[in-house]
Amino acid sequence: GQNIDQPTEMTATEGAIVQINCTYQTSGFNGLFWYQQHAGEAPTFLSYNVLDGLEEKGRFSSFLSRSKGYSYLLLKELQMKDSASYLCAVRAESFQKLVFGTGTRLLVSP
Amino acid sequence: NAGVTQTPKFQVLKTGQSMTLQCAQDMNHEYMSWYRQDPGMGLRLIHYSVGAGITDQGEVPNGYNVSRSTTEDFPLRLLSAAPSQTSVYFCASSYRGEKLFFGSGTQLSVL
Repeated sequence: GQNIDQPTEMTATEGAIVQINCTYQTSGFNGLFWYQQHAGEAPTFLSYNVLDGLEEKGRFSSFLSRSKGYSYLLLKELQMKDSASYLCAVRAESFQKLVFGTGTRLLVSP
Repeated sequence: NAGVTQTPKFQVLKTGQSMTLQCAQDMNHEYMSWYRQDPGMGLRLIHYSVGAGITDQGEVPNGYNVSRSTTEDFPLRLLSAAPSQTSVYFCASSYRGEKLFFGSGTQLSVL
């Protein structure tokens, strides 16, 4: 079966750093994606990891450990506009099929 | 370059009615897919296509049909709407299974 776990909700302060964790148990692994989704909008791509390690892209970084079935998304210098849901998705046994977690709703306060 | 265009944005149906959600992309992507998003459930794959003339079932295909006659278009048909199909639907496309580009979504209510 496929199982992806993320915290339901997190809160943080503007300017701070927040880490959103994702653990997965899937049949096969061909990469992990992070998407951002603002309320009432479509998800948009943030990052992709297929090898172990850290991928950095501006204020956002994503880490992957395949042996532990674990990833995190690190958001630095938080801004109010970062308030959104963050979706972890794993490409499991099929190259086209993505399995999504339920998402982590992040609330950034002043 | 419009990306992924999805229509309609909102739709209300009565139980038993049928309808088609339209999806078109202008990025020449081979892969297209339909997801539904329900509170607390995350995005779930309904059907997907890896190219014109090829479709396959995802995680929750029952009650939905798809076809892919062209690279650009991937409509989703609800055969006989049920209240359990009340959801937000997203169409998405990608180049060879890389990052997904999503349409703006359709909020569907079945009464």
